[in-house]
Formats: sequence, C-alpha cells, structure tokens
Amino acid sequence: NAGVMQNPRHLVRRRGQEARLRCSPMKGHSHVYWYRQLPEEGLKFMVYLQKENIIDESGMPKERFSAEFPKEGPSILRIQQVVRGDSAAYFCASSPPAKTDTQYFGPGTRLTVL
Amino acid sequence: TQLLEQSPQFLSIQEGENLTVYCNSSSVFSSLQWYRQEPGEGPVLLVTVVTGGEVKKLKRLTFQFGDARKDSSLHITAAQPGDTGLYLCAGAWGAQKLVFGQGTRLTINP
Repeated sequence: NAGVMQNPRHLVRRRGQEARLRCSPMKGHSHVYWYRQLPEEGLKFMVYLQKENIIDESGMPKERFSAEFPKEGPSILRIQQVVRGDSAAYFCASSPPAKTDTQYFGPGTRLTVL
Repeated sequence: TQLLEQSPQFLSIQEGENLTVYCNSSSVFSSLQWYRQEPGEGPVLLVTVVTGGEVKKLKRLTFQFGDARKDSSLHITAAQPGDTGLYLCAGAWGAQKLVFGQGTRLTINP
C-alpha cells in the first residue's frame, strides 16, 4: 500500500511567484489535512478537507493561501505571491473516515522562497 | 487555545540507558498520538491512545495515557542509536485537527 504522496519534495520560488503543493492521500482515505512546520517550530494545523469540501480552515492565513480537494485528483495547497516568511515544510496527512484523529503523514514539501 | 507541552525539549543519553518523555496539557484529550520524525521526512505514527490509563507497548517503547486524559508519557528501555530522532505528541480534542507539542529531540550516543 502506498502511503501519503506529496510532490514536489522541494520547491524553490522567488518572492511574488505562486507555489502549488500536491498531496495524494492513502488509498481508502477521504480526509486530507495540511500542516506547516516553520524552522525550529512545531507542526501547525492549516486546513482540513474532504472531497470537494473544506471542513475546517481555521489555521489558514487569511490572504494568499487556498486549498482544494477535487472529486478527482490530488489535494492542492496554493500559495499566491509568496514571501520569504512562507519558507517552511508543508505536510499533508490523511485519515480514514471513521478515525479522523489517526492521521498518516506524507514526506512533506520543503518550500524555499528566495 | 489548547496547548501541549513536551519535556524535555532535548535529551542526550548513552546507549543502553532508559528514558521518559512527557506530554502535558491543561485540557482533556479525546485521543493522543505519538509520532517520530526523521530529518527531512514526515512524522511517522507510532501509537494512538484513547482510554484514560491505557498502556501500549511497541517493542522497547511503552506509551501511557494519564487517567484524566490530560497527559501522556513515552518510555524507552535500553535505548539504541537507532532511536535517535524527534518525538512528537499530538492531541485531538474531538475536532479533527491535531495540536502538536514542540517535540523532544532525542540523541542516543553509542
């Protein structure tokens, strides 16, 4: 069984560009979560999605950040007009419908903004 | 805002010694997870505890959930260099999102 897949693993962007991070959940998992890990800090929740629905986006910055989980295809975390402070590791996790507190994480995307 | 405090933040011990890492909160968890994270990788789930007083064992690792479900501990017996890594606890309070502690960075010296 493949685990949670994330790509790219590393992404370099210049200030003002857009970053798109992709996440494919584990087979059979319909719930996806995004977390951000800033340098020397813990993981912070950003958003929780089910297919075609955003369930909880209480951890998302109000501007420039958006997420989607379409009916077909991976979940996308999109950051517009990136700034240096967006440099971080972004992790996606997935869970089965009946056990949303048991989350399995992908390897992460490390975003560097120059 | 729910907070999880882990202690110690850093721990360096010799191979063969025992150690305990703690995770505490003033809030009651509905469940608690322990993860281990290697540099450059995502957290790997070690265990989920749900019931107050619950004890789970994973080889040389013993996880305990406090009776009041506000705290948890991870005990490693006869630590080995392969146990080196960042250990994270994460709590759920009924909502689906996890709140993570800052982590304990463990180093086992040969």
